[in-house]
Amino acid sequence: DADVTQTPRNRITKTGKRIMLECSQTKGHDRMYWYRQDPGLGLRLIYYSFDVKDINKGEISDGYSVSRQAQAKFSLSLESAIPNQTALYFCATSDLQEPGGPKTQYFGPGTRLLVL
Amino acid sequence: KQEVTQIPAALSVPEGENLVLNCSFTDSAIYNLQWFRQDPGKGLTSLLLIQSSQREQTSGRLNASLDKSSGRSTLYIAASQPGDSATYLCAVNTGFQKLVFGTGTRLLVSP
Repeated sequence: DADVTQTPRNRITKTGKRIMLECSQTKGHDRMYWYRQDPGLGLRLIYYSFDVKDINKGEISDGYSVSRQAQAKFSLSLESAIPNQTALYFCATSDLQEPGGPKTQYFGPGTRLLVL
Repeated sequence: KQEVTQIPAALSVPEGENLVLNCSFTDSAIYNLQWFRQDPGKGLTSLLLIQSSQREQTSGRLNASLDKSSGRSTLYIAASQPGDSATYLCAVNTGFQKLVFGTGTRLLVSP
């Protein structure tokens, strides 16, 4: 079984609809992240969470909200979807920083979202 | 604001060639730099992570170097194989594991 799962894997929706993308992890990590990837722009951080009670905005949080329901679950919502939110969305997790330095992030397979 | 650039955007080589992918960043205040591989439908996989105090890291046929003062990193792939075909992304950790990604190099290795 995959350590980081995302549902749905593909989604088509219409402008103005509310949608939720879900992420679950079995790695036991405290830290979770949401990124979006657009052609030619690389991945950009939307929101991140260091534990259940901690939520932080990333580089491009406008138009998005998140919920950390449990250590293992982190959801991304688009309250009113618009076409320029069409992108590939990734969830990632990481462990706490250890004395040896920051750890790598582990990524889910991505959700491809199309907003018409 | 940290900006990460990768050159070339795309690269096509015959099997067996050694190749170098380049990554540059504008702010040298980083905690580490990572190289990821992205395959369609499978997300990103971390290949190598270089701490800011290190100069290079090696894993199998892969070697990554870091010159923090000049804001550059290279990923060297030896004896390339068709299975190496993927998009390669570099990312710098600017603190609290906030990663800033480059736009990637799309690699195609032909048999």
